[in-house]
Amino acid sequence: GAVVSQHPSRVICKSGTSVKIECRSLDFQATTMFWYRQFPKQSLMLMATSNEGSKATYEQGVEKDKFLINHASLTLSTLTVTSAHPEDSSFYICSARGIPGLAGGPATDTQYFGPGTRLTVL
Amino acid sequence: GQQLNQSPQSMFIQEGEDVSMNCTSSSIFNTWLWYKQEPGEGPVLLIALYKAGELTSNGRLTAQFGITRKDSFLNISASIPSDVGIYFCAGQARKSYGGSQGNLIFGKGTKLSVKP
Repeated sequence: GAVVSQHPSRVICKSGTSVKIECRSLDFQATTMFWYRQFPKQSLMLMATSNEGSKATYEQGVEKDKFLINHASLTLSTLTVTSAHPEDSSFYICSARGIPGLAGGPATDTQYFGPGTRLTVL
Repeated sequence: GQQLNQSPQSMFIQEGEDVSMNCTSSSIFNTWLWYKQEPGEGPVLLIALYKAGELTSNGRLTAQFGITRKDSFLNISASIPSDVGIYFCAGQARKSYGGSQGNLIFGKGTKLSVKP
């Protein structure tokens, strides 16, 4: 249980275009979803936290107008990289967390990670 | 802000050897987690620790939540080639189903290489 998927797994786009990445919790309801960015040989850096139905909370230094996050349902969050530039090329990983004990909740309150999306901006 | 120091940064070992890595924090965590990440994949949870002093095993992996709540270690016994990857520790300050207190703080990772 507690499976998180991401789509697409990799995407290549031209500079200036927008890219949308989906994160889905497949078998539990995710009250909170997190978006991370990971550059080569580095750790995961939290970009933003989103609770279903409310605005995302962005970490310091992350532009909210550039990285649009929508957490419209308990199983889906999307990250849109707007006007992408080569420096936005990175590995984007989402995670999802639910509330154990609630109907549809996971077994624990741990974050479950998706497989990541490799974004390359040319 | 909270920081995690994870060591060693990398390890090159012979198959069959035991491995030990640890994380220390400048502040207290209520949850310690250990993840493994392989190239091009997201982190996979290995062990979760919820109580100070807790010692938990998952096959050949053993992890402990330090008594001070500021550290944790992960041991891998009798390593095999498929243990290769990057191991991350992560700490969570406190349980919170909203807001930032439930966010994970990640260590910088320990890259494990196993020579057959």
